[in-house]
Amino acid sequence: RKEVEQDPGPFNVPEGATVAFNCTYSNSASQSFFWYRQDCRKEPKLLMSVYSSGNEDGRFTAQLNRASQYISLLIRDSKLSDSATYLCVVNRAGYALNFGKGTSLLVTP
Amino acid sequence: DADVTQTPRNRITKTGKRIMLECSQTKGHDRMYWYRQDPGLGLRLIYYSFDVKDINKGEISDGYSVSRQAQAKFSLSLESAIPNQTALYFCATSDLRDSSLRPFTDTQYFGPGTRLTVL
Repeated sequence: RKEVEQDPGPFNVPEGATVAFNCTYSNSASQSFFWYRQDCRKEPKLLMSVYSSGNEDGRFTAQLNRASQYISLLIRDSKLSDSATYLCVVNRAGYALNFGKGTSLLVTP
Repeated sequence: DADVTQTPRNRITKTGKRIMLECSQTKGHDRMYWYRQDPGLGLRLIYYSFDVKDINKGEISDGYSVSRQAQAKFSLSLESAIPNQTALYFCATSDLRDSSLRPFTDTQYFGPGTRLTVL
C-alpha cells in the first residue's frame, strides 16, 4: 500500500465552486502534513501546512484527522488560477517527506 | 535571482553516457534533496544531505550518486544513463533551523527542475 494516497482526479469545477480533496496516509507515526501546489511543468511550492486543529488561509482550509489518517483541503470560491495539481505530503519518522501523486484540479470559466 | 537553481534545465543524452545535474542555492539552508518525478508516480526521493558531511540514500538511489561540494551545492550524477531514467528531476532545500524549533516541519523549496531524456 502506498504511504500517501490521493485521488488523481481530474476535478473539473466551474469558477466560484467549492471543491475538496482528500488524502490518506498509512504510517500512523507520521508527524507533519502539508499541501503543496504544482503548476504544469513547474516546481512544487508549499501551499500550506496542516495542523491538528485545522487551519485556514484565505479561501483554503486544511483539516487533519489523525484517527482516520486522512488530510483534506477545501478550496472555496475557486478561481481560474487555482488550476494546478495539489500534492499531499506527509513527514515520516525521521526527516524525509513522502509525496502523494497529486490531485489535478481544473477550474473552468 | 532564484534562490534554488538547477543546471541544465533540459538535457537529452544517450544510453551509457555519464550525466551530472547541478543544484545551487542561495538560501543558506543546510538540507538539500534530489527527487525525480514521473507521470503517474509522483515525486520520489533519490538522495538527501543534511550537511556537507552527510549523504543519505532515498527511496530510489540505485543508478545515481551525489556529491555535496559545499553547503550551497549538491550534484546528482548518473554514471551510465539508461532510458528509464528519463524524468523530471528536482532539487530542493530546507532549513535545519526551522525544524529545530518545530521538529519535522521542514518546508522544502524546490528548484525549477531539469528535464532529462535518455535515448
